[in-house]
Amino acid sequence: GQNIDQPTEMTATEGAIVQINCTYQTSGFNGLFWYQQHAGEAPTFLSYNVLDGLEEKGRFSSFLSRSKGYSYLLLKELQMKDSASYLCAVLGRSNDYKLSFGAGTTVTVRA
Amino acid sequence: NAGVMQNPRHLVRRRGQEARLRCSPMKGHSHVYWYRQLPEEGLKFMVYLQKENIIDESGMPKERFSAEFPKEGPSILRIQQVVRGDSAAYFCASSPTDNQPQHFGDGTRLSIL
Repeated sequence: GQNIDQPTEMTATEGAIVQINCTYQTSGFNGLFWYQQHAGEAPTFLSYNVLDGLEEKGRFSSFLSRSKGYSYLLLKELQMKDSASYLCAVLGRSNDYKLSFGAGTTVTVRA
Repeated sequence: NAGVMQNPRHLVRRRGQEARLRCSPMKGHSHVYWYRQLPEEGLKFMVYLQKENIIDESGMPKERFSAEFPKEGPSILRIQQVVRGDSAAYFCASSPTDNQPQHFGDGTRLSIL
């Protein structure tokens, strides 16, 4: 089975940095995705890691360590609009197209 | 560039009625996935389809639920004889191939009275 853990909630101040951790135990591994989901809206794709290391995309970066079953999403220069739920999702075996999602981390950005 | 289109956005049904949820994938995407999201829970995979074929329905309840993706037209998720426990947000996603990022629609929020 798949087990994906991430914190339930985080709060940070506008302009600050927040790091959302995700640990996973899955049957095989074929990539890890981060999505952003505002309340009542669609999950929006943010990043994809399949190899170890850091992927940077503007204010958002994502890191992966396959040996540790660990990823994080780093949000820099936080803005109020970054208040949302952040979903960690894993693709399992190489022929497993099913995304397994964590329950999501709700990030609240305060002025 | 239209994204994944789902309709209706909100659907209210009484217990015992049928619910039909529609999903049109992004242009050029032939892989469609359905997920269910219960309050305070993560998205759970239900079914994966390609045109005219169900590839994997392992996440779908054995009874009352069915899905199709016909040659022409949108993918349909059908729930017969709905019960209160079916109340959830149902999301559709699509991708060009099966290991590329999946792009999600805005979901259908199903409420059962």
